[in-house]
Amino acid sequence: DGGITQSPKYLFRKEGQNVTLSCEQNLNHDAMYWYRQDPGQGLRLIYYSQIVNDFQKGDIAEGYSVSREKKESFPLTVTSAQKNPTAFYLCASSKAGLHDNEQFFGPGTRLTVL
Amino acid sequence: AQTVTQSQPEMSVQEAETVTLSCTYDTSESNYYLFWYKQPPSRQMILVIRQEAYKQQNATENRFSVNFQKAAKSFSLKISDSQLGDTAMYFCAFTRYRDDKIIFGKGTRLHILP
Repeated sequence: DGGITQSPKYLFRKEGQNVTLSCEQNLNHDAMYWYRQDPGQGLRLIYYSQIVNDFQKGDIAEGYSVSREKKESFPLTVTSAQKNPTAFYLCASSKAGLHDNEQFFGPGTRLTVL
Repeated sequence: AQTVTQSQPEMSVQEAETVTLSCTYDTSESNYYLFWYKQPPSRQMILVIRQEAYKQQNATENRFSVNFQKAAKSFSLKISDSQLGDTAMYFCAFTRYRDDKIIFGKGTRLHILP
């Protein structure tokens, strides 16, 4: 079955620690995205990548970093510089070049900073 | 810059009733796509329906239909014969033709009551 997987489902972090969220897709999609979801805020774009070894900042990139070494994988690191990291994080992918950029989503990771 | 506004943070309707969720957007583009995504309590985002701006005919998917008013920049979602499984957060979203990003509204939480 093709799809997007995110791990772990729940993640707890102590203040001052970096943590990496995993996102893998086997849809052969070129583009991948990371969103942050907070209550009442909708989805806000953190980073996105259209091709391997290239990525762009979204609207709220501060305190986050990403890499895109493989087409299938787009991990997100939440650094200690992110002031309020507790949130629900969604990864998505799409097949670049289409007219409508329909995005497919993973199940999400809930990050809680203790 | 494009914006998407959902003016109803939360709604409740009885099972089997029809409900309409509102969405307005702002853009100067003539070619674009609009989406409604559903996020049930599992938090898995699912595409409900898609509308291409150059198509005058409103999109329909089973019990879900849209009222697309291009001049008014309005894109409402109608759910007919609502079911308990329709309980979810619904996000309206916009993307320009061949753009690499989607802009999401803040969502409407819909409760279907038995």
